[in-house]
Amino acid sequence: DIQMTQSPSSLSASVGDRVTITCRASQGIRNDLGWYHQKPGKAPKRLIYAASSLQGGVPSRFSGSGSGTEFTLTINSLQPEDFATYYCLQYNTYPWTFGQGTKVEIK
Amino acid sequence: EVQVLESGGGLVQPGGSLRLSCAASGFSVSNSAMNWVRQAPGKGLEWVSTITSSGGSTFYADSVKGRFSISRDDSKNTLHLQMNSLRADDTAVYFCTKGGNWGQGTLVTVSS
Repeated sequence: DIQMTQSPSSLSASVGDRVTITCRASQGIRNDLGWYHQKPGKAPKRLIYAASSLQGGVPSRFSGSGSGTEFTLTINSLQPEDFATYYCLQYNTYPWTFGQGTKVEIK
Repeated sequence: EVQVLESGGGLVQPGGSLRLSCAASGFSVSNSAMNWVRQAPGKGLEWVSTITSSGGSTFYADSVKGRFSISRDDSKNTLHLQMNSLRADDTAVYFCTKGGNWGQGTLVTVSS
């Protein structure tokens, strides 16, 4: 199985900050990676697919990059509604696997 | 507008069975790859199963292989997840997904 190692597991940031979250795959997955965020009690929402393509309706302050084994989600100018838990998902090979999550909290 | 809506969750005893349904609107399940993902209380996301668009190939997480079965009813435009031999560690919210579209989830609790 492909392991997805996500870091950090949590971070504290302020409104307006730039935030970066990383996922590392245990083997190459081309660009078959998505990023999601989830608020308590809600369904996850996809932000990015194919590593760097912005999901329709998602603000442009979200961006994704990477290919192969190293991937990054960047949030420019963090907004109050961005405080949530973020997950990466590789869908290159079954079983699909998620990262363990990054909780973004208010500093 | 693409939407999916899960139903069928509930409380079931260990060893029991449950069938989840996912009603689709705005697209046809017959030519769509669709998935089930679950989240145990306070835990992260876990992929459970996928049915592909072409040919209806199915894939399962090792944790559910041999116990769960994914299928689709094209006439009702609905995806199903048949869950047998349920265990306490199957307790979770189960989400139906199609690409970037997720339902709100249905809670399955396995307990005596």
